[in-house]
Amino acid sequence: DSGVTQTPKHLITATGQRVTLRCSPRSGDLSVYWYQQSLDQGLQFLIQYYNGEERAKGNILERFSAQQFPDLHSELNLSSLELGDSALYFCASSAALLQGVGVAGANVLTFGAGSRLTVL
Amino acid sequence: QKEVEQDPGPLSVPEGAIVSLNCTYSNSAFQYFMWYRQYSRKGPELLMYTYSSGNKEDGRFTAQVDKSSKYISLFIRDSQPSDSATYLCAMSEGGKLIFGQGTELSVKP
Repeated sequence: DSGVTQTPKHLITATGQRVTLRCSPRSGDLSVYWYQQSLDQGLQFLIQYYNGEERAKGNILERFSAQQFPDLHSELNLSSLELGDSALYFCASSAALLQGVGVAGANVLTFGAGSRLTVL
Repeated sequence: QKEVEQDPGPLSVPEGAIVSLNCTYSNSAFQYFMWYRQYSRKGPELLMYTYSSGNKEDGRFTAQVDKSSKYISLFIRDSQPSDSATYLCAMSEGGKLIFGQGTELSVKP
């Protein structure tokens, strides 16, 4: 158990629907990251939050949104789902922002077990 | 061109072999280099972590970074069937970690 909790583990839904994936970071971690993993694209960075604020954005579609709440848990909302959105969605957490020199441990991400989304 | 390139394999080796996994990258701003291991149906877990150029050894694992060539490697000595997994290189830039495609490794007994 990595300490990062993701729910649900599996989700099957239909095109056009909306789903919410939930993540509880490891105790004491302030940063939460969302990644999408598909067979052809690998692990793609979506978005990062630090202590409730959005800090970095990757290849996140406009149909997707996320937030981090005061208790530090995060939710990733996926709407108007398409077949191509089927993937594993990982949440990861770290103690601090990903920064450069001098921030020990800042670059260590701990991943959850993922939420497998199937869109039919 | 992707920022981080990694041969997806699959790579199959006999038990006890030395395994070499590699990544190339294009962004010279990357400073932190990591290797993650991902077992089937699990999340990636950090294996090795290096800053800038040089080598780092941890047991049977050695990570090498050559910033001048924009090339990183992970060597596994005396490979074991339990090393069978997907290995992902990762590099940090600002607030995000960029991953390679991952190389699927199978170590046969």
